[in-house]
Amino acid sequence: KNEVEQSPQNLTAQEGEFITINCSYSVGISALHWLQQHPGGGIVSLFMLSSGKKKHGRLIATINIQEKHSSLHITASHPRDSAVYICAVRFPGAQKLVFGQGTRLTINP
Amino acid sequence: DTEVTQTPKHLVMGMTNKKSLKCEQHMGHRAMYWYKQKAKKPPELMFVYSYEKLSINESVPSRFSPECPNSSLLNLHLHALQPEDSALYLCASSLIVSGSGTEAFFGQGTRLTVV
Repeated sequence: KNEVEQSPQNLTAQEGEFITINCSYSVGISALHWLQQHPGGGIVSLFMLSSGKKKHGRLIATINIQEKHSSLHITASHPRDSAVYICAVRFPGAQKLVFGQGTRLTINP
Repeated sequence: DTEVTQTPKHLVMGMTNKKSLKCEQHMGHRAMYWYKQKAKKPPELMFVYSYEKLSINESVPSRFSPECPNSSLLNLHLHALQPEDSALYLCASSLIVSGSGTEAFFGQGTRLTVV
């Protein structure tokens, strides 16, 4: 059983819509990452969180440690936001990331 | 400089060839990683280097041979690969392997095709 669950697996929306992608994990973590991958491309680190909320431009990431849940929000979505968004967690003392299965986001003009 | 640079971007190799993938970072990171990613799947960890020493080998076949000659450079030597080894190979680095300072920076990957 994957210790990191993302939802939805696929999401299609119209340009301008508010987007939410969710990530849940099974046990306490030391850090959670939100990553972005465009088709055929490398991975870009969007956020690393251990508590609270971070914002960068139109992207907002939140984490609730008690509920073991994080969300990635995109405001005023744009077709260039179309990509796979991956949640990855690092468990305490671990040297590696555990990845979710990713959310494939498509924003139509 | 917050980049992880991978070369080459694309590689086609025969099953009898020997080739190498290269990864470079100049952020002073002391942890470096190789991942393998198949289409529509998340990355799978292959190797972790910490302070130029191999820290984790995720039971990777010996036809993949990692090397960390210095703190900025990570190589992956390939020999006698199989067609099922065709994938995107991603390199990543972080300041250290655990604790704070573990934000990972990824390269653009090398798309490998084994024919």
